[in-house]
Amino acid sequence: GAGVSQSPSNKVTEKGKDVELRCDPISGHTALYWYRQSLGQGLEFLIYFQGNSAPDKSGLPSDRFSAERTGGSVSTLTIQRTQQEDSAVYLCASRPGPANYGYTFGSGTRLTVV
Amino acid sequence: KNEVEQSPQNLTAQEGEFITINCSYSVGISALHWLQQHPGGGIVSLFMLSSGKKKHGRLIATINIQEKHSSLHITASHPRDSAVYICAVHSGGGADGLTFGKGTHLIIQP
Repeated sequence: GAGVSQSPSNKVTEKGKDVELRCDPISGHTALYWYRQSLGQGLEFLIYFQGNSAPDKSGLPSDRFSAERTGGSVSTLTIQRTQQEDSAVYLCASRPGPANYGYTFGSGTRLTVV
Repeated sequence: KNEVEQSPQNLTAQEGEFITINCSYSVGISALHWLQQHPGGGIVSLFMLSSGKKKHGRLIATINIQEKHSSLHITASHPRDSAVYICAVHSGGGADGLTFGKGTHLIIQP
């Protein structure tokens, strides 16, 4: 597509429920990132996918968080047993490859855990 | 890990004023980005710089590699420029991508 698409744009969930957030990167972009922006905080790295390589999961805050990227394209970030501190904007970004620094960001998913 | 500092954190100005937002980083970089985030909105990439200066409309971005410093300028500011401006640096290596500043919250009053 023309840009990075994220869905849903807003999600309200009850504490303890699981949620799935989706990112559809720009076609052909091999690098995909998930970031989190908590209220009043800067963006923090969560996970990085590059092509078919094993993802870098070093930013995931707990084992309740997981992500996958199917066929080198669409990515899903899953948060199990959501907690109130998971409330944040989750942003996805993609770029053409490891040697290209031109990032394109999605509009984000605003997650509210009540 | 690169440390990215932005100043000011908050800035309120009158329409028409010349705006400067500063960004400093601690470690050499491959590229620096200036990003714009409107309330409730996603992030738009304004500039990517590795040296020198870029201009787009009323926006100008400069970078001094030796001093590890970049500035974003807005000329003839307008209320629609009100947003959070975020500096982000790519230090190379790819794994954790960008390191972000905390952002500058800009309000332009009519």
